[in-house]
Amino acid sequence: DTGVSQNPRHKITKRGQNVTFRCDPISEHNRLYWYRQTLGQGPEFLTYFQNEAQLEKSRLLSDRFSAERPKGSFSTLEIQRTEQGDSAMYLCASSSTRRDSSYEQYFGPGTRLTVT
Amino acid sequence: AQSVTQPDIHITVSEGASLELRCNYSYGATPYLFWYVQSPGQGLQLLLKYFSGDTLVQGIKGFEAEFKRSQSSFNLRKPSVHWSDAAEYFCAVGARSSGSARQLTFGSGTQLTVLP
Repeated sequence: DTGVSQNPRHKITKRGQNVTFRCDPISEHNRLYWYRQTLGQGPEFLTYFQNEAQLEKSRLLSDRFSAERPKGSFSTLEIQRTEQGDSAMYLCASSSTRRDSSYEQYFGPGTRLTVT
Repeated sequence: AQSVTQPDIHITVSEGASLELRCNYSYGATPYLFWYVQSPGQGLQLLLKYFSGDTLVQGIKGFEAEFKRSQSSFNLRKPSVHWSDAAEYFCAVGARSSGSARQLTFGSGTQLTVLP
């Protein structure tokens, strides 16, 4: 079990540029989540995949955000036309579908985005 | 919708002293409850969880938490704190609902400082 991995760990970009983050979940987990965490706050839910299907999106996920999980394995989160307010830590988590265990989410180290 | 309150933004304790971090939740039924720990620049590590049964749950690193339905609380405790416990602690609640995303709702966190 290698855990959840995320790349890159840090990204600095200029306002208006597009950025893409990648998440590789724990291999046997078919549920995948994206959260956003700003300074001094707890993580906030953005979106959720079960296998390749994106089943839920938060109102926090504006039209500039898009997430994919094309083969039900890794996932990408793209932010278009970044704004300074997008600066945050983007966390990915995964869980299994086994009963009760499906609530146990395991988090990656996060990608810290800074928009200048 | 569920919510979580962590009333203490910052707590300072001396090494070897006991610790209690408070967590109150709002949810219409018995939720799933979690405590996570986050070290600087890192993702979240699951400390312990409550699903059902015994209301006193044991976790990793010597932590325990007690679910009190009458008080809507899930406080985290440790009898003797170590310097390595200095980190930010997040309480989270998951809704019991089949077919839902089962995303977690987090509190805003408690920063723990440990004095030598």
